[in-house]
Amino acid sequence: AQTVTQSQPEMSVQEAETVTLSCTYDTSESDYYLFWYKQPPSRQMILVIRQEAYKQQNATENRFSVNFQKAAKSFSLKISDSQLGDAAMYFCAYRRPRLAGAGSYQLTFGKGTKLSVIP
Amino acid sequence: DGGITQSPKYLFRKEGQNVTLSCEQNLNHDAMYWYRQDPGQGLRLIYYSQIVNDFQKGDIAEGYSVSREKKESFPLTVTSAQKNPTAFYLCASSITGGANEKLFFGSGTQLSVL
Repeated sequence: AQTVTQSQPEMSVQEAETVTLSCTYDTSESDYYLFWYKQPPSRQMILVIRQEAYKQQNATENRFSVNFQKAAKSFSLKISDSQLGDAAMYFCAYRRPRLAGAGSYQLTFGKGTKLSVIP
Repeated sequence: DGGITQSPKYLFRKEGQNVTLSCEQNLNHDAMYWYRQDPGQGLRLIYYSQIVNDFQKGDIAEGYSVSREKKESFPLTVTSAQKNPTAFYLCASSITGGANEKLFFGSGTQLSVL
């Protein structure tokens, strides 16, 4: 079974600074997808960024980028130029590829990292 | 606007009572999911459905039931067999197929026990 570990329950960052959130996962699959989701106080889950395991290039979305280390099974999220609106819970998630059969649509989530942004 | 609507936003359950959480989507998505979130925890999958009239158990299906009679709707019933139902429940949907598949989430229902 796949597991996702976020070792930092809470983190803080000064506004305009950069912060990196850690995520490691355990899987025996070679092809899979990884995600970072943001959950603000409204509790709405918002997709931040996604990475396909077969792609060596790290995904980027504006101020958000990942450092994907497949051999180390590590998937960290870097937030640059942090803004007050970035304050939220951040969840790392893993999904098996579709062709894996039943259950391939399931996401396995980590327990989350609460990010605070200091003005 | 297209999206996922969950209702009610807050729900209270009495001992021994079954309650049903509503989830409707107008995104024309094939797949729908129910997740449970406890404080300090990530989301855990309860049930999912890839097509109408078919659904599968997730990791924590005991004490819950679902139906998928229409593509747009995927209600979740929390039965009296679920002894610890207090949690935040999130419904999601996705298009099946294609490289851009991703989950769209509703705004959630907070269930509490009286």
